[in-house]
Amino acid sequence: SQTIHQWPATLVQPVGSPLSLECTVEGTSNPNLYWYRQAAGRGLQLLFYSVGIGQISSEVPQNLSASRPQDRQFILSSKKLLLSDSGFYLCAWNRDGDSGNTIYFGEGSWLTVV
Amino acid sequence: AQTVTQSQPEMSVQEAETVTLSCTYDTSESNYYLFWYKQPPSRQMILVIRQEAYKQQNATENRFSVNFQKAAKSFSLKISDSQLGDTAMYFCAFMTLFYNNNDMRFGAGTRLTVKP
Repeated sequence: SQTIHQWPATLVQPVGSPLSLECTVEGTSNPNLYWYRQAAGRGLQLLFYSVGIGQISSEVPQNLSASRPQDRQFILSSKKLLLSDSGFYLCAWNRDGDSGNTIYFGEGSWLTVV
Repeated sequence: AQTVTQSQPEMSVQEAETVTLSCTYDTSESNYYLFWYKQPPSRQMILVIRQEAYKQQNATENRFSVNFQKAAKSFSLKISDSQLGDTAMYFCAFMTLFYNNNDMRFGAGTRLTVKP
């Protein structure tokens, strides 16, 4: 069966510090990968998606970036965090044609920028 | 632009009763998928139910069922025999299928509280 893991689960970082959130998917190959952000009491906002190694599309211009160094690894980064980057970050995956293209989510990472 | 609207920010229901959560969407596409996700206090996003737009039959999953009205662009979720564990945020989501991109949009969510 397929699983998705992301870490760290909780992170408190000072303004201006770097960020690295990592996500890996097991049990499948060539997945589509996604990073979403959920601000407090809000819905999900798509930040990045990737259909293959090295292929990243950005939905929202900001000081965050994403990379996909391996087929089942997706990394969310920032060189200098802003207070507005605080939120709940969710990694997700799906495969074209599988289970109606259903997107499956990781456990999420809480980021607090102080 | 494709949008998803959940007009009920909060709802409550007594245990064992039935509740319906509303969702409407706007799209010019004819082929798409609709989803309901549940987010309990743990914040894990869990798929509740899925509906393909080309299917006229409403999807059901145990106590969860949908009322899909394609012409009205409406996709409501009915929870029967509500349980305390159903307390969560519920998100309606809409996905169109473009080449190299599964564009999924989420509503703002409905916070459901099941009361004992």
